[in-house]
Amino acid sequence: EAQVTQNPRYLITVTGKKLTVTCSQNMNHEYMSWYRQDPGLGLRQIYYSMNVEVTDKGDVPEGYKVSRKEKRNFPLILESPSPNQTSLYFCASSLSLGLAGSTDTQYFGPGTRLTVL
Amino acid sequence: SQQGEEDPQALSIQEGENATMNCSYKTSINNLQWYRQNSGRGLVHLILIRSNEREKHSGRLRVTLDTSKKSSSLLITASRAADTASYFCATGASGGYNKLIFGAGTRLAVHP
Repeated sequence: EAQVTQNPRYLITVTGKKLTVTCSQNMNHEYMSWYRQDPGLGLRQIYYSMNVEVTDKGDVPEGYKVSRKEKRNFPLILESPSPNQTSLYFCASSLSLGLAGSTDTQYFGPGTRLTVL
Repeated sequence: SQQGEEDPQALSIQEGENATMNCSYKTSINNLQWYRQNSGRGLVHLILIRSNEREKHSGRLRVTLDTSKKSSSLLITASRAADTASYFCATGASGGYNKLIFGAGTRLAVHP
């Protein structure tokens, strides 16, 4: 089954304790992205990747890191989590890169609900 | 700033009624997409309409696009309780590959 998976689905942690949220897709998609969703703000892009070893900042990258060592995986790393990073996180992928201003359908993972105390 | 903004923020209807949600955006687009999100779950792509299209159908969904007014609408006909979800429009942002800008969404509640 074609899908985007994320782990863990739920995580409660404390300020400053490094954590990684994994994301994997089995559709051979070029493009992957991380979003966070907060009440009243919709989804905001954190980082995206156009291909292996190619990543770039989205709208809200502060406090996050990513890597793309393999095409299928795109982990999100919080080196020193803070309470303002409490949120619902989504990984997404799409087949093509799209040209600037042209966007392809994105496939979303089930989400990771993170609470930082 | 948000590119797509949905209206209304919340909508409550009875089964069998039609639900209409609107989306406004600010800049030129190549396409506009609608997504659905069941409570706390991932977003699911519903439909994509290109800037040179005015209307598109998919099952009980009808999407219109008016590029002169920078607006789109999503109509769900003969709604069902299972349509209860949040609906988001998303538009492509210039300067970023496949960067989608989402609005805050419309929460639709369909009552049996």
